[in-house]
Amino acid sequence: EAGVTQFPSHSVIEKGQTVTLRCDPISGHDNLYWYRRVMGKEIKFLLHFVKESKQDESGMPNNRFLAERTGGTYSTLKVQPAELEDSGVYFCASSQRLSSGNTIYFGEGSWLTVV
Amino acid sequence: GIQVEQSPPDLILQEGANSTLRCNFSDSVNNLQWFHQNPWGQLINLFYIPSGTKQNGRLSATTVATERYSLLYISSSQTTDSGVYFCAALTNYKLSFGAGTTVTVRA
Repeated sequence: EAGVTQFPSHSVIEKGQTVTLRCDPISGHDNLYWYRRVMGKEIKFLLHFVKESKQDESGMPNNRFLAERTGGTYSTLKVQPAELEDSGVYFCASSQRLSSGNTIYFGEGSWLTVV
Repeated sequence: GIQVEQSPPDLILQEGANSTLRCNFSDSVNNLQWFHQNPWGQLINLFYIPSGTKQNGRLSATTVATERYSLLYISSSQTTDSGVYFCAALTNYKLSFGAGTTVTVRA
């Protein structure tokens, strides 16, 4: 069974440009999450989808970030326009159910560098 | 929100040594997970451990939920154990991560 896959694995863009990160969750997982770790800081929650609906987007830093999950399958996270402080690792994760008995599985992350 | 503290922040080990990493959390949690971020950036789930003790090869973890802490034991460490170890507390659906323990195992 394939795990959570993310694309691209690495991206270097200039300040002001746009980047779109993609996440494919584990098949059958309704719950999809985005987290990020900016340089030297903790991994922080960004948002949570249940199928195609945003359940909680309280961690999104500002309106330059837009996440979508059309059809309840894969998800995209767009940063537009990118700023220097957006550099970091963006992790996507998925889980089957919300019950406490569920492990959350993480992808390998998308490393974003804004120059 | 819940606070998660990990100690020590950094750990240098000689290959073959044993070590214990600690994770304290500030409130009741649904679950606790341990992750290993290897030098290539991959975040690997190690344990899903709301309470009790689990073992997986040279790694084991113990969570004492009533006292709000969890421990990760690494025995007979190998250079491939190097990386950052994170614990994360699950409340409802949201994971709150600690700052991590950076482990360096020297040959």
